[in-house]
Amino acid sequence: QVQLVQSGAEVKEPGASVKVSCKASGYTFTTYGISWVRQAPGQGLEWMGWISAYNGNTNYAQKLQGRVTMTTDTSTSTAYMELRSLRSDDTAVYYCARDLCTDGVCYMGYWGQGTLVTVSS
Amino acid sequence: QSVLTQPPSASGTPGQRVTISCSGSSSNIGSNYVYWYQQLPGTAPKLLIYRNNQRPSGVPDRFSGSKSGTSASLAISGLRPEDESDYYCAAWDDSLSGWVFGGGTKLTVL
Repeated sequence: QVQLVQSGAEVKEPGASVKVSCKASGYTFTTYGISWVRQAPGQGLEWMGWISAYNGNTNYAQKLQGRVTMTTDTSTSTAYMELRSLRSDDTAVYYCARDLCTDGVCYMGYWGQGTLVTVSS
Repeated sequence: QSVLTQPPSASGTPGQRVTISCSGSSSNIGSNYVYWYQQLPGTAPKLLIYRNNQRPSGVPDRFSGSKSGTSASLAISGLRPEDESDYYCAAWDDSLSGWVFGGGTKLTVL
């Protein structure tokens, strides 16, 4: 069965960087892309971007361009999301979500358990 | 401010039918599929409806989705206490070249 296991909670100071991992199992890693979605406390879902696990192509949300980098390590079937220049409003639970594709149309079908990132001095 | 608009709350009694609306624009709902996610308290979102009205295996047929123009809706019939959850709609936005979500609807089963 498809499993996405994310790294543990992080506490960072403003201005620092954080790198969250998402280890995939139960399928061929390079077949599907992975999105990252975050959720601030008590708020809704915000899509951050997507990476192809096949060739590393990325598509970042305009709001986060220049501060976010998504990568993959195919040798360990792991996706990473790094966010730099952290601010207090980056405090959120960060989710990875694997594509699920139907007739060539892909969407967020499987989700990791989430990683809480707290930005505080 | 979310790109897709949902009511912040909805409620119903066990056995009732409730609907949750999701309003967008021509660049998202009007030209792409709508997806619905259920997020139980303290857990990750779970895919509930894909491609406007399709249910993944394991999702009860009490849940149904529909779309018309730039709006969509999720209907839950035969409401159960375990349906109490947050529900989010999502769609691809051609103008933003990214996924957009509704602000979420908190469903209370009275």
